Amino acid sequence: DVKVTQSSRYLVKRTGEKVFLECVQDMDHENMFWYRQDPGLGLRLIYFSYDVKMKEKGDIPEGYSVSREKKERFSLILESASTNQTSMYLCASWIGQGASTDTQYFGPGTRLTVL
Amino acid sequence: AQSVTQLGSHVSVSEGALVLLRCNYSSSVPPYLFWYVQYPNQGLQLLLKYTTGATLVKGINGFEAEFKKSETSFHLTKPSAHMSDAAEYFCAVSLTSYDKVIFGPGTSLSVIP
Repeated sequence: DVKVTQSSRYLVKRTGEKVFLECVQDMDHENMFWYRQDPGLGLRLIYFSYDVKMKEKGDIPEGYSVSREKKERFSLILESASTNQTSMYLCASWIGQGASTDTQYFGPGTRLTVL
Repeated sequence: AQSVTQLGSHVSVSEGALVLLRCNYSSSVPPYLFWYVQYPNQGLQLLLKYTTGATLVKGINGFEAEFKKSETSFHLTKPSAHMSDAAEYFCAVSLTSYDKVIFGPGTSLSVIP
């Protein structure tokens, strides 16, 4: 089974701190995604990556950056955390183009609170 | 642009009753459609998906969904609700199997004993 792990389940940070959220997948998937989940809004795509060192903006990239130095690891960075970034963050991975029968696999999520 | 709407942010059913969660989409081309479930404190898990072919799709845990192009709908059903079905359910759409996925706002399902 594909396994997607996220470094923390719960995280509390202070306004202005630099925050790193880590995601690791163990199935050699090409594509990785970061979403944030808020009540009534569903999942919104922040950034995604189709390959090592490649990144694409999603629908709400403002205030975030990402890093993908190795295929299995995709990091989400909050350069200066703000209270409106308090949310659940979900990482997902997907095998890649041409895999018509596959789907995204999700990690358990990191619930971030910014005070 | 694609979008997904889910009618009802909260749905309550009695144990043993029919579960019906509604999903409507907008897409300029025939889409790929998905239903995901999220149990408390967990990530999302794929319930079922429609890509091509048969419009009635069967998924895990007894759920199924029917793609109706004329109605732009992909409603999720289960004949008899179980307590373990209580969760958040998300409908999602993409243009291709590898395109980005657009999620609906979610429906929280409660099952009453």
